Amino acid sequence: EIVMTQSPDSLAVSLGERATINCKSSQSVFYSSNSKNYLGWYQQKPGQPPNLLIFWASTRESGVPDRFSGSGSGTDFTLTISSLQAEDVAVYYCQQYYSTPPTFGQGTKVEIK
Amino acid sequence: EVQLLESGGGLAQPGGSLRLSCAASGFTFSSYDMSWVRQAPGKGLEWVSGISGSGGSTYYPDSVKGRFTISRDNSKNTLYLQMSSLRAEDTAVYYCTKGPPWSSWSFDYWGQGTLVTVSS
Repeated sequence: EIVMTQSPDSLAVSLGERATINCKSSQSVFYSSNSKNYLGWYQQKPGQPPNLLIFWASTRESGVPDRFSGSGSGTDFTLTISSLQAEDVAVYYCQQYYSTPPTFGQGTKVEIK
Repeated sequence: EVQLLESGGGLAQPGGSLRLSCAASGFTFSSYDMSWVRQAPGKGLEWVSGISGSGGSTYYPDSVKGRFTISRDNSKNTLYLQMSSLRAEDTAVYYCTKGPPWSSWSFDYWGQGTLVTVSS
């Protein structure tokens, strides 16, 4: 089983400032045959189900604002919110879909400073 | 519009059983892999089962293998999760999820969830 570890567990960022969340996998989730990283990011707002933001490590899902971006490859990944808005307050999860069982990071809570 | 509507949650005794259902609409149900993902109160996300579009292949993590059974009825556009030998640690909100066209184990749509509480 691939273990996903996020850092930090929580962070507080001022409105309009950058938020950065890191995700590390216990083994590579890069599939060389198609040059894709099997890594996604989800946002979960209070009282709501998670929502897929990014897949293939850096591809934004339709309708996701471009202030959200994903980067990284292999075992180390980053979700960046370039200019934090009030509606971005949520818990963010990374998830690998490289192998079964698919696994999630423990989550990172983003709050307004 | 894709919609996933779970039902069947509630209170169950330790060692008891419960069957969850998920009514799907807004997409060609039989063409997509589906999964159940759970979230214990105040905790993170855990995938608990997956099934291929045809229903011919099913997948489970060790934590529920032998206790949970996922199935689907493509004629009714409905996904099921039969849970037995329930434990206190199975207490969670259970989400029905749809896999995107490009992967079995990513989740592009989620239902609102149904709460399962295992307690005596």
